[in-house]
Formats: sequence, structure tokens, C-alpha cells
Amino acid sequence: DARVTQTPRHKVTEMGQEVTMRCQPILGHNTVFWYRQTMMQGLELLAYFRNRAPLDDSGMPKDRFSAEMPDATLATLKIQPSEPRDSAVYFCASGLYGSSGNTIYFGEGSWLTVV
Amino acid sequence: GQNIDQPTEMTATEGAIVQINCTYQTSGFNGLFWYQQHAGEAPTFLSYNVLDGLEEKGRFSSFLSRSKGYSYLLLKELQMKDSASYLCAPKPGGYNKLIFGAGTRLAVHP
Repeated sequence: DARVTQTPRHKVTEMGQEVTMRCQPILGHNTVFWYRQTMMQGLELLAYFRNRAPLDDSGMPKDRFSAEMPDATLATLKIQPSEPRDSAVYFCASGLYGSSGNTIYFGEGSWLTVV
Repeated sequence: GQNIDQPTEMTATEGAIVQINCTYQTSGFNGLFWYQQHAGEAPTFLSYNVLDGLEEKGRFSSFLSRSKGYSYLLLKELQMKDSASYLCAPKPGGYNKLIFGAGTRLAVHP
């Protein structure tokens, strides 16, 4: 059963600490997305990769956030330094560009609390 | 830019029919998705429309009018487990990405 895998599932950290979230997209998918969800903002697109190349990270605060795809099976989202306002659920999603519908599938999310 | 408008909350009775509307404005258009999200869980795919008209899939149907920038999700024979948020997500032209609306929280009661 193919699925997007995210780690950690839950993270509590102190303000100022570095946080790294990891995502393993569905095997064969060539597009990867990072979304952030809060009660106030809903689902916001932070960054988007196709074939490991970043295509759009306009939604990501550049001063503290960075997103990379070291290889086709791993995407990372890093926050350094973290702040309480970063507390949210971070979803990774993957899809196959060019397939019918281009449906994207979400991982279970990383629940981040910064205190 | 893009703008997506959905009702914030809706309530309905078990066994009834409910229609969740979505209006959108995007830079280009390559189709519209509906996702379901239960509290504390990830969004899951429900439907995809790229052409005008109604797509039916079991108890759920989705309608699209490209010229009006309008879509709706129709849920029939409502069940308690349908209580969730429903997210409208048009896909703008150019990039293959989805922009999500704030979602409609549906509460189904007995």
C-alpha cells in the first residue's frame, strides 16, 4: 500500500532550536509539496519540487525555513531557529506530474509545537 | 493571484443531502479537486473535475462550471462519518500545484 511517510509525527521543541522534518514520497512520484496547516490559515503551500528541483517556494519564510530534496526518496523541511508562531501541522504530499488528474497524496503530517 | 471562497461551516442531518459550494479565481485553470479531511488527519482525495459538468462517484458527486469559476460537492445519504472538513482546491495554470481553500466544516447530526 503506497503512501507518503513523514517523520517525526509529533515534535515539541523550545524556541530557537532547529527542527528538521522528513518526507518519503510515494515511489515513482516526481512532484513533492510541503504544506503548513493552522486553524487560522488553513493549508498553505510552502514549497514545491518537481524531479527534485525546487519550482516554487514563494510561500516559505526564507529567513528561517529551507526545503531540499537530497534524493528522489527524501524531502526535508528545516526551520532554524524555530519560533512559537511556527507551531502547526506540516504536511508533505506527492504526486505524478503528467498522470491523469495529477492527484496528490498527503502524508499523515508532522505536528510541531514550539514553546 | 488566486481567491477561493467556501462556506466556513455547514450542518446537516444523517440521511440527508448537502451541497458544498466553492467559487474560485485563479491565474489559469487546470482542474479542480475536492479533498476530505477528518479532524487530526491528513486530507484525502475525493474528486477531480477538469471539464464542465457533473462527476458522480457513489454517494459523492462534484460539479464544475469553468466559465463561472464555480464548483460544488454533493453528498447524498449522509452518514455520521461524513462529518469532516471539505477542501476545494483549484489547480492554477503553469505549475502543477494545488491551492486550497480554507475548507468547509460539515457536521452531520442524528
